[in-house]
Amino acid sequence: EPEVTQTPSHQVTQMGQEVILRCVPISNHLYFYWYRQILGQKVEFLVSFYNNEISEKSEIFDDQFSVERPDGSNFTLKIRSTKLEDSAMYFCARGSQDEAFFGQGTRLTVV
Amino acid sequence: GENVEQHPSTLSVQEGDSAVIKCTYSDSASNYFPWYKQELGKGPQLIIDIRSNVGEKKDQRIAVTLNKTAKHFSLHITETQPEDSAVYFCAAYSNSGYALNFGKGTSLLVTP
Repeated sequence: EPEVTQTPSHQVTQMGQEVILRCVPISNHLYFYWYRQILGQKVEFLVSFYNNEISEKSEIFDDQFSVERPDGSNFTLKIRSTKLEDSAMYFCARGSQDEAFFGQGTRLTVV
Repeated sequence: GENVEQHPSTLSVQEGDSAVIKCTYSDSASNYFPWYKQELGKGPQLIIDIRSNVGEKKDQRIAVTLNKTAKHFSLHITETQPEDSAVYFCAAYSNSGYALNFGKGTSLLVTP
């Protein structure tokens, strides 16, 4: 099955700015996920989204983060007031309750 | 919560040899165990998975074994090729959560 498409592939932003990362999955999937991978570290869960609602979020996913699927297709992750430590690869995934198929990721660099 | 430990962190083998990567998990309710291959600059790619109702699964040169009693599972790659070089991640999923918990990864290098 096809994976998701993520845009942009690389985003550079100044500290304190807001960024929106986008994911375009196949529309008939119900489960979507955002994961983060800091350079050289393991993949970390951020949030899962089921039936257009957040079903679970990790302790990383605080008030700085939000997700939405505004038009039934694009799935977005918004990071407000970015910090240097937000620099990482952000992966969108689609799947079922347990399976996850990842996109190519967006590399976020906060300067 | 679930804690997944993965060993070794790096592994170097000669082409044609076998490679084994091992993971342990802490949540006895975990029932789904995927393995991902990540090449440089790309997202994790699912290569094989196993569910708790089976002990072994094989797909060509790749196999995964699961020991639920001991709470560990392993990835076996036979007849390794240079294109197998990548970082491999194990993960575990539990019904008590909604997400995969990943190990820290194993950097596999296959030398010709």
